[in-house]
Amino acid sequence: AQKVTQAQTEISVVEKEDVTLDCVYETRDTTYYLFWYKQPPSGELVFLIRRNSFDEQNEISGRYSWNFQKSTSSFNFTITASQVVDSAVYFCALKAAGNKLTFGGGTRVLVKP
Amino acid sequence: KAGVTQTPRYLIKTRGQQVTLSCSPISGHRSVSWYQQTPGQGLQFLFEYFSETQRNKGNFPGRFSGRQFSNSRSEMNVSTLELGDSALYLCASSSATGTASTDTQYFGPGTRLTVL
Repeated sequence: AQKVTQAQTEISVVEKEDVTLDCVYETRDTTYYLFWYKQPPSGELVFLIRRNSFDEQNEISGRYSWNFQKSTSSFNFTITASQVVDSAVYFCALKAAGNKLTFGGGTRVLVKP
Repeated sequence: KAGVTQTPRYLIKTRGQQVTLSCSPISGHRSVSWYQQTPGQGLQFLFEYFSETQRNKGNFPGRFSGRQFSNSRSEMNVSTLELGDSALYLCASSSATGTASTDTQYFGPGTRLTVL
C-alpha cells in the first residue's frame, strides 16, 4: 500500500520569506512517481512538479525547487521569495503501480504581505 | 489546449436522490480519473477509466459508479445520496496508455456537491 505524509498542516510566512514543505512517502514499488500540486481557494488542483524514482537529481524551476532523497523517502518542496499569490494548500502525491494518485493531507500556506 | 472541464460546478441535492457529474478531458487524453475531497478524509481516489473501461477502482461503495464514452468524456454517478457524500469531486485526465502509467494527471476545477 502507498502512503504519503505531510506533517505540516499550516505554515504562515511573511512575503519574500522562503517556505519549505515536507513530504514523506511509503511504497514497496521500486518504480514510482512523486508530484506536488497546488490548490488555490478556487479548488482546482494545479500541477507543479514531478519526479521519477530513478532520478534523484534536484532541480530549480523559477521560484520552485525540490529535494528528493530516496534514502529517507522524502520529497520536500521549497518556494523561494514567497508571494501573496502563493497562498494555497499544497499536496504531495505518489503514483506507483496503476494510474492512481495517493495524496498527503496537504499543507496550507499563508503568505502575509 | 483547453484544460479539463467539469459540469456542473455546484450542485445541491437531498438525501436519497442521485446525481450525475460530467468531465471532459484534455483533447487527446484517454484516461480519466475521479477523486473525492472532503475535510475529514482528504483526497481519495474513486476510479479510473481508459478506453471506456474501468481500469482501477478505489475503496468506495457500489453507489459510486462511472462510465466513459468513446470521445473519452466521463460521467460519475452517485445513487441514494447520503450526507457524507458532500464533497468536492475532482476529475483528472492524462494521456496514460499502459497500465503502469508514467503520465501526469491534470485536474479540472471540480464539482462541489452539497447533500442536504
